[in-house]
Amino acid sequence: ILNVEQSPQSLHVQEGDSTNFTCSFPSSNFYALHWYRWETAKSPEALFVMTLNGDEKKKGRISATLNTKEGYSYLYIKGSQPEDSATYLCAFLLLETSGSRLTFGEGTQLTVNP
Amino acid sequence: DTGVSQNPRHKITKRGQNVTFRCDPISEHNRLYWYRQTLGQGPEFLTYFQNEAQLEKSRLLSDRFSAERPKGSFSTLEIQRTEQGDSAMYLCASSLALTGRETQYFGPGTRLLVL
Repeated sequence: ILNVEQSPQSLHVQEGDSTNFTCSFPSSNFYALHWYRWETAKSPEALFVMTLNGDEKKKGRISATLNTKEGYSYLYIKGSQPEDSATYLCAFLLLETSGSRLTFGEGTQLTVNP
Repeated sequence: DTGVSQNPRHKITKRGQNVTFRCDPISEHNRLYWYRQTLGQGPEFLTYFQNEAQLEKSRLLSDRFSAERPKGSFSTLEIQRTEQGDSAMYLCASSLALTGRETQYFGPGTRLLVL
């Protein structure tokens, strides 16, 4: 059974604060790591697909890093805004089942207070 | 194209009834996935199709669950004899698979409540 863990489970920050979350995953048989942002009543929105150790990706104020050797990824949000409030999910793709199942963590629920 | 769509968005049913959900993927996408999310958990994989072929099913997909993608376009997920434990958000996603690492684009989900 694959174990993908995210921390913290929830986070409350003030507008303008920078924040980061962690996703831990098995370091063996790594194929890809996906990050999604899911706002209530909307579709989960794809943020990044990360594949190589040392990958760093950026989309506006959001960036992510990947360490496949130790099995973790960080998601950073610079200068949080209320519209960043959402659940952030990471999902691991195992080499042996490439192209099929994503194994998700439980998510980090971010609330940004104005 | 406006993305992946799912219908209905909400469904309330009584225990023992059958329900069917529909997913319309992004038109050129060859892979279609079904996931289920229960409260406080991340989405869990149920099954996926490549074109019309169902290539993998999770052990979560009991005999009461059946999924089809008859012409390699839209897909349906049917739950027979629903149980209260089936209450969840059912998510559909699609991708254009080349390496297997491609982004899966999700629909808004169908929220099922079994009374």
